[in-house]
Amino acid sequence: GDSVTQMEGPVTLSEEAFLTINCTYTATGYPSLFWYVQYPGEGLQLLLKATKADDKGSNKGFEATYRKETTSFHLEKGSVQVSDSAVYFCALSDADSSYKLIFGSGTRLLVRP
Amino acid sequence: GAVVSQHPSRVICKSGTSVKIECRSLDFQATTMFWYRQFPKQSLMLMATSNEGSKATYEQGVEKDKFLINHASLTLSTLTVTSAHPEDSSFYICSAKIRGLNTEAFFGQGTRLTVV
Repeated sequence: GDSVTQMEGPVTLSEEAFLTINCTYTATGYPSLFWYVQYPGEGLQLLLKATKADDKGSNKGFEATYRKETTSFHLEKGSVQVSDSAVYFCALSDADSSYKLIFGSGTRLLVRP
Repeated sequence: GAVVSQHPSRVICKSGTSVKIECRSLDFQATTMFWYRQFPKQSLMLMATSNEGSKATYEQGVEKDKFLINHASLTLSTLTVTSAHPEDSSFYICSAKIRGLNTEAFFGQGTRLTVV
C-alpha cells in the first residue's frame, strides 16, 4: 500500500538557518503530495502541495518539489524563524487510497533565537 | 480558505461516559469527512471515512461500536466515543473535503479528550 517516510526529528536550528526535512513516498499511482504544519495544541494546516511530477509547491518561504524519479518531496526553507517551530507532516493522496490522506510520522522543528 | 470548525476543543469526561465531538464545515459542502486520532508526538492515524448520508468506513482495528460516526448533513459530522476509558484519551482531529475526487482536505482544530 501507499506510504510516506519522513526523517525523524526533532530538528533543532538557529534562527535564519537553512531547513530541509526529507520526505519520500511509495505509491502505485500518481499521488498528490502535501506538507501540513501543526502548531502546538492545534489541528493541521496545509502548508503547500504539488499534484504532478516536477511541480513546486511554495508558501511562506517554504518550498517542495515533486520528484517522481526519486519519489521525494523534501521541504526546504532558506531562513527559518522562531515562529516556524512546529511539527511538519508530509502526506500523499491518490486514487489507489481512495483519496485518503496518508501521513508520514511527522518531524518536529524547533528554531532557537 | 475553507474553514472547518471542531467542537469542543477540550473535554474531560469520567470513565464509562460517552462524549460527542462535532465537526462542521462552515463555508462549503463536505461530502467526505475523515476522523483521525493522534497520540502524543506521533502521526495521525485515520480512524474512519464518512460520506454524507451513508455509513462510515472504518479502518482496520478501529471499533465501530465504540467510535460512532454520523454524517447526517453536508456540513456536519459527529464522532461519539462511547463508554470512554482512559486509554481513549487522545487528540482527535477531523478533516473535510469539498465535493470532488482529489481536492484539498481542510482540518479542524482538534479535540483533546481526557478520560479520568
